[in-house]
Amino acid sequence: AQSVTQPDIHITVSEGASLELRCNYSYGATPYLFWYVQSPGQGLQLLLKYFSGDTLVQGIKGFEAEFKRSQSSFNLRKPSVHWSDAAEYFCAVGAGTYKYIFGTGTRLKVLA
Amino acid sequence: KAGVTQTPRYLIKTRGQQVTLSCSPISGHRSVSWYQQTPGQGLQFLFEYFSETQRNKGNFPGRFSGRQFSNSRSEMNVSTLELGDSALYLCASSLEGREQFFGPGTRLTVL
Repeated sequence: AQSVTQPDIHITVSEGASLELRCNYSYGATPYLFWYVQSPGQGLQLLLKYFSGDTLVQGIKGFEAEFKRSQSSFNLRKPSVHWSDAAEYFCAVGAGTYKYIFGTGTRLKVLA
Repeated sequence: KAGVTQTPRYLIKTRGQQVTLSCSPISGHRSVSWYQQTPGQGLQFLFEYFSETQRNKGNFPGRFSGRQFSNSRSEMNVSTLELGDSALYLCASSLEGREQFFGPGTRLTVL
């Protein structure tokens, strides 16, 4: 079955520290992969996407993610977290045309 | 280019009523998807429309329905509202079946 797992429900980091949010997926073919960010009460904003090619993708707001086929992972990273990065982050898989599966989200708290 | 818009942004209804939510996709996008987001269940896929046809459907009861118009605008309807229908309803549009662009959502509260 197709699925997306975000094993960390909550993560707390200090401002200026590095960040890695984990995402594992289960999908038979090479998937399209996405990371979205959601601020409270708002919609989801696309941070970055992977379709093919270079497995290290750069996104907005200084985020990057690396696709590792052998580990079925697509972890999101940022070298230095800012207080404004506090939000909920969702990993998603494009499981066929126009069908998407979302993880349950990781809520990021940033300590000043 | 304008983003995805959803109206209304907030709704309060009582049990047993029905509600209609509206979504206008990004210009040129023909695919519109709807999601229900709740703290307990996360993001759950409701349905997807393309060129006025429902192509994908999630696992929701028949009380949840939708439609898409020729200009790609979409509506979803929930009949006989239950307390558990309280949620943020998100609409997303897509151009070529790749990334989705989300609207700000409609917060529905059922009393």
